[in-house]
Amino acid sequence: QLQLQESGPGLVKPSETLSLTCTVSGTSISDSSYLWGWIRQPPGKGLEWIGTIYYTGSTYYNPSLKSRITISMDTSKNQFSLNLRSVTAADTAVFYCARHGYVSGFDPWGQGTLVTVSS
Amino acid sequence: QSVLTQPPSVSGAPGQRVTISCTGSSSNIGAAYDVHWYQQLPGTAPKLLIYGNNNRPSGVPDRFSGSKSGTSASLAITGLQAEDEAEYYCQSYDSSLSGWVFGGGTKLTVL
Repeated sequence: QLQLQESGPGLVKPSETLSLTCTVSGTSISDSSYLWGWIRQPPGKGLEWIGTIYYTGSTYYNPSLKSRITISMDTSKNQFSLNLRSVTAADTAVFYCARHGYVSGFDPWGQGTLVTVSS
Repeated sequence: QSVLTQPPSVSGAPGQRVTISCTGSSSNIGAAYDVHWYQQLPGTAPKLLIYGNNNRPSGVPDRFSGSKSGTSASLAITGLQAEDEAEYYCQSYDSSLSGWVFGGGTKLTVL
């Protein structure tokens, strides 16, 4: 059964870097049929696509976040990761990882992890 | 401001039919990119409800259906049930942004 699980600190200080990892089980992230994405949801607000990585290492970033994010993958651990630099309180959100295709939807999703930016 | 526009809220009585609209532009829905819909129950991760404009994943009741025309798409829910009360999001791809985009979400209340 395909599952994704986010992990990382729940609290990050302003101006520091938020780092999260998504561990995938039940399939290989080297599968050429799919991409692997990060999505966030601020408390009480909607969904925002952050960025995506393909098994080749190619990355696609939300233009509004591009200057602050890096997405990478470790195929040996079947994981992909998100780094968001210079965070502020506005970056407080539930962060989700998900599998998706170029034309198919995001499915499945991880359970999500709340990251709070506060001193 | 989301690239895809949804009404903030809709409501309906049990058994009724409701629709949720998703309006885009020539760089996303109008460019023939597929629209997908998600259901998010309170406190849970979004779940894929409709993919490829009008396809239901296994396990999704046929009370849920999707359609697309021009620069807009719609999600229809028939035979409303209390368990349908949730937030619904549309999603597509945008060629101007070179990335994937979501609607702002619609809160469905079952009266």
